[in-house]
Amino acid sequence: KAGVTQTPRYLIKTRGQQVTLSCSPISGHRSVSWYQQTPGQGLQFLFEYFSETQRNKGNFPGRFSGRQFSNSRSEMNVSTLELGDSALYLCASSTGPENTEAFFGQGTRLTVV
Amino acid sequence: QKEVEQNSGPLSVPEGAIASLNCTYSDRGSQSFFWYRQYSGKSPELIMSIYSNGDKEDGRFTAQLNKASQYVSLLIRDSQPSDSATYLCAGERGYGGSQGNLIFGKGTKLSVKP
Repeated sequence: KAGVTQTPRYLIKTRGQQVTLSCSPISGHRSVSWYQQTPGQGLQFLFEYFSETQRNKGNFPGRFSGRQFSNSRSEMNVSTLELGDSALYLCASSTGPENTEAFFGQGTRLTVV
Repeated sequence: QKEVEQNSGPLSVPEGAIASLNCTYSDRGSQSFFWYRQYSGKSPELIMSIYSNGDKEDGRFTAQLNKASQYVSLLIRDSQPSDSATYLCAGERGYGGSQGNLIFGKGTKLSVKP
């Protein structure tokens, strides 16, 4: 059974640009969450999607957005990139909102220069 | 502010010893707790989940939950060098299911010396 797949694995962008990250959940999983991980702040929750609807959102500025498609795949977008957005972005999937057991993808390492 | 606290370590144990990792949480409404292992440069891997008071064993791993003391722990028996990693404790935020309600500690770095 394939795990959570995130693409791309690595990205280098310049300040002011925007970026889109993709996440394909485990087959049969319908809930997808996104996290930002930095050495100083640890794992910080960005948002969660289920059935194409955002169910929860963390404390991040509006430059961070996401969406989920009918096949449960999800994308997150960051606009007007800042140096502080450099981080490992992780996607996690679970079967649904009734289940908090989450499985992570390999992450996308974003570097903003 | 609901929090999950962990000692950042590093915790160093000799090979074959028991490693004890601890975590406290502030949200009394939290019902579910998870331990993740994260190797350097890799993503977190779920290794244990625990939902009720007491112990839960899985191979060399034992998770312990004490809701009265708001305390969660992970014991690793017969520690191996391959167990060297950062261990993340996560608790549910306390208002129902949904992985969006997980709060993570900042992790404890474990080093197992051969």
